[in-house]
Amino acid sequence: GQNIDQPTEMTATEGAIVQINCTYQTSGFNGLFWYQQHAGEAPTFLSYNVLDGLEEKGRFSSFLSRSKGYSYLLLKELQMKDSASYLCATQDSNYQLIWGAGTKLIIKP
Amino acid sequence: IAGITQAPTSQILAAGRRMTLRCTQDMRHNAMYWYRQDLGLGLRLIHYSNTAGTTGKGEVPDGYSVSRANTDDFPLTLASAVPSQTSVYFCASSDSEAGNEQFFGPGTRLTVL
Repeated sequence: GQNIDQPTEMTATEGAIVQINCTYQTSGFNGLFWYQQHAGEAPTFLSYNVLDGLEEKGRFSSFLSRSKGYSYLLLKELQMKDSASYLCATQDSNYQLIWGAGTKLIIKP
Repeated sequence: IAGITQAPTSQILAAGRRMTLRCTQDMRHNAMYWYRQDLGLGLRLIHYSNTAGTTGKGEVPDGYSVSRANTDDFPLTLASAVPSQTSVYFCASSDSEAGNEQFFGPGTRLTVL
């Protein structure tokens, strides 16, 4: 079966670092995506991992361990504009995305 | 048009009425998708199309139908709306290969009374 788990909500302080975890169990795996979604808006692409390891893109990094069914999104130097929901999704063998429920990140000054 | 558009932005609909949500993309993507997003449940796939002329059922297809007459357009029809179809609907498109991101439209907020 397909299952993706991520925390419902997290709180962090402006300027700090936060790690959002995602664990998954899927049949067929073509990689893992992270999307950002601000309230009332559409999801937008952040990162894609298909090989084990860390992908860095500016203040955001994403890590994948295929053997553990685990990924995390690391956000550094947090800014108020980073307050959003972060969605984890795996791509299956038919290239469709299976979505987690999302993690709402609240940034406090 | 730049990217992917949806219409209407929002709609209030009486139960039992028929409604078509429109989606158009100009990126020449072969694959298109319809999702609904409800609080606490994340994005759920309703229907998809891997190429013009073909469609498939997603996780929650009941009560919805789609067509894909050409590459650009992918309308979603609710034949007889029910209150449980109150949701935010997102259309997305991509090239259906490993690693290709999905691009999302701005969404349609639908309320069925």
